[in-house]
Amino acid sequence: QQQVKQSPQSLIVQKGGIPIINCAYENTAFDYFPWYQQFPGKGPALLIAIRPDVSEKKEGRFTISFNKSAKQFSLHIMDSQPGDSATYFCAARGNTPLVFGKGTRLSVIA
Amino acid sequence: NAGVTQTPKFQVLKTGQSMTLQCAQDMNHNSMYWYRQDPGMGLRLIYYSASEGTTDKGEVPNGYNVSRLNKREFSLRLESAAPSQTSVYFCASSERRAINYGYTFGSGTRLTVV
Repeated sequence: QQQVKQSPQSLIVQKGGIPIINCAYENTAFDYFPWYQQFPGKGPALLIAIRPDVSEKKEGRFTISFNKSAKQFSLHIMDSQPGDSATYFCAARGNTPLVFGKGTRLSVIA
Repeated sequence: NAGVTQTPKFQVLKTGQSMTLQCAQDMNHNSMYWYRQDPGMGLRLIYYSASEGTTDKGEVPNGYNVSRLNKREFSLRLESAAPSQTSVYFCASSERRAINYGYTFGSGTRLTVV
C-alpha cells in the first residue's frame, strides 16, 4: 500500500511556466512533509518542507501548498527555468522514517 | 565537509555473490538509512538505524542485512545477490526528530546483478 501518492509521473513545461506537482497521503500521524530534488547521477537533496500547522510555505521560486483536511500537498515552481529540470519527490514522516512518492520527472524547455 | 560518502559508486555482481555497501557521514547525525531507487518506484526504505546500536527493517528488507558499526558508519550487505537487487542504493542520515530536520543523501551506489 503506497503511503504517499504523487502525480503526475512526468511533466513538460515551457520556460517561465508554473509546474505543479501533487501528493496525497492517508496517514494522519504524518507531521512533516518535505520535497526533494534529484538531478541525474546525484542523490536527492532537500528542497523545501512544511508542517501541517501552516497552509503555505515559500522559499524563493518554490512554494508548498498544504491542505490538511484533504490530506494533500503540492509543489509549485514559479518562473520555471531549464535548470529546474530534475526529478522531484514528495515525502512524509510521522514517528517512522520518511516515505517517498514515486517521483515526477520535470522537463523545462526553453 | 563531505556529508554522506558511499562506496563503491558502481558495482557489477554475479548472481549469488556477496558484497557490502559502505556509508559514512561526518555530520554527527544520530539516524542513518538505506534506500533503494528503482525506475517508477521512488525511494523505498530497506533498513534504518535510529541511533547507534539499533537497527530496524524498512519496507523492503528481504535479502539484505545491515550493521551500524559506530555513529558514523552504516553498512548494507547482500549475502547472495539476485537480479532483483539490481538498483541504485542511497544512504542517508538525519538528526533524529530535530524540528526542521531533513535527510542528507549520499551520491548513491549503482549495483547491477547479472
